[in-house]
Amino acid sequence: QSALTQPASVSGSRGQSITISCTGTSSDVGIYNLVSWYQHHPGKAPKLIIYEVDKRQSGTSNRFSGSKSGNTASLTISGLQAEDEAVYYCWSYTTANTVLFGGGTSVTVL
Amino acid sequence: QLQLQESGPGLVRPSETLSLTCSVSGDSISSPSYYWGWIRQPPGKGLDWIGSINYSGTTHYNPSFKSRVTISVDRSKNQMSLKVRSVTAEDTAVYYCARHWASSIAASLDPWGQGTRVTVSS
Repeated sequence: QSALTQPASVSGSRGQSITISCTGTSSDVGIYNLVSWYQHHPGKAPKLIIYEVDKRQSGTSNRFSGSKSGNTASLTISGLQAEDEAVYYCWSYTTANTVLFGGGTSVTVL
Repeated sequence: QLQLQESGPGLVRPSETLSLTCSVSGDSISSPSYYWGWIRQPPGKGLDWIGSINYSGTTHYNPSFKSRVTISVDRSKNQMSLKVRSVTAEDTAVYYCARHWASSIAASLDPWGQGTRVTVSS
């Protein structure tokens, strides 16, 4: 199974907003509202920040928001802060009864 | 508070079997409310789901791994195990365990363990 498609990197200045896309197919992202986003700081455990497309996990800043249109899900980080610098992965359940990660997007705060 | 901790040998020889354990504290792996999963991250690459298991031993595997991987639970020890057979250098990775937060692999993974690094080399 092929990974969901994410841009390799996205950057933005402090205080700006950025959006990370996650493109799948009609067999995963497009058919289910079961897209999650994980934040991964190097050397640490990945952390769930968004689940079921647009629901924030407890403790996640409201600067993080999720959405979906067709086969593409998106994560938006508004008011970018230094601590947001990390790798972000999308994840989806599939019609094959498996789960799939995106390739990851490295966020740089300028 | 639920905590997961991966453990196992840091070095495995090519063609041998990689064996890892995920120790669960703060909850019971025998709970019918959850699935438990293994995920890995090769150096310089992204996360890859290996497979997941529930309390009764029902497993779901990534088709890319299915023929070489076995996931099991030991309820008496409150642990989950991963075995990867016939390893090559491409199995070098940080291996994570995590809990699906409902009784389906469609449920998000939270929390995760800190991960354990495994190198395949002679």
